[in-house]
Amino acid sequence: AQSVTQLGSHVSVSEGALVLLRCNYSSSVPPYLFWYVQYPNQGLQLLLKYTTGATLVKGINGFEAEFKKSETSFHLTKPSAHMSDAAEYFCAVSDAYKLSFGAGTTVTVRA
Amino acid sequence: NAGVMQNPRHLVRRRGQEARLRCSPMKGHSHVYWYRQLPEEGLKFMVYLQKENIIDESGMPKERFSAEFPKEGPSILRIQQVVRGDSAAYFCASSPEQRETEQYFGPGTRLTVT
Repeated sequence: AQSVTQLGSHVSVSEGALVLLRCNYSSSVPPYLFWYVQYPNQGLQLLLKYTTGATLVKGINGFEAEFKKSETSFHLTKPSAHMSDAAEYFCAVSDAYKLSFGAGTTVTVRA
Repeated sequence: NAGVMQNPRHLVRRRGQEARLRCSPMKGHSHVYWYRQLPEEGLKFMVYLQKENIIDESGMPKERFSAEFPKEGPSILRIQQVVRGDSAAYFCASSPEQRETEQYFGPGTRLTVT
C-alpha cells in the first residue's frame, strides 16, 4: 500500500520568509505525487504534481517541490511567504486512481 | 468551465435519519471519487465510480453507506441511519478520461449529526 507522512502538523513563518513543508512517501511502484492546498471551508486545490520526468516541479502561487527518490521525499517550498499562503496543505500519493493523503500541515503567516 | 459542484454545502441530520450528498462532476468528466475528512485528519478515499459502475468501494464502511453514479444526473453518496461518528466533510472529485491521476475537487459537504 502507498502512503505519505507529513512532518509537522503546524508551521508558522514570517511574511517574506521561506516556506518548507515536508512530505515522505512509501510506494512499491514509481509514485505519482501531489500537493494540494485547502483554504478554510473550501475544497482542495491542486498546487502541483509529479508523475515522471523532471524532478523539480513548479506549481501555482510560486510553490515548487522536488522529488527525491533516494530520500523518498517530496518537500514543498516557496521562497517568500505571503499572507494569502495561510492554509492547510496536503501531500498525496496516487495508486492509479486512489489518492492517499497525509494528515496535513497548517501554515500560519506572521506579519 | 464550471468546477465540481456539490450540494448541499452544509447538512444537519439527527441520529437515525438519512443523508444524501450530491456531486456533479466537471463537464466532460466521467470518473467520480468520494473522500471523507474527519476532524483533524486528512482525506480518506471512500469510493470510485464511473457512469453506472462502482469500480472500487474499498474505503466505504460496509453498512449504511452506498454510492451511485447514474447514466443521467449527479453522483449520490447515501448514508442511512446516520450516527454522530458520520459527522465529517465529504468531498467529491472528478477526473477526465485517460487522466485518472489528476483529480479536481468540489467544495465539500459538511455533515453534522446531532
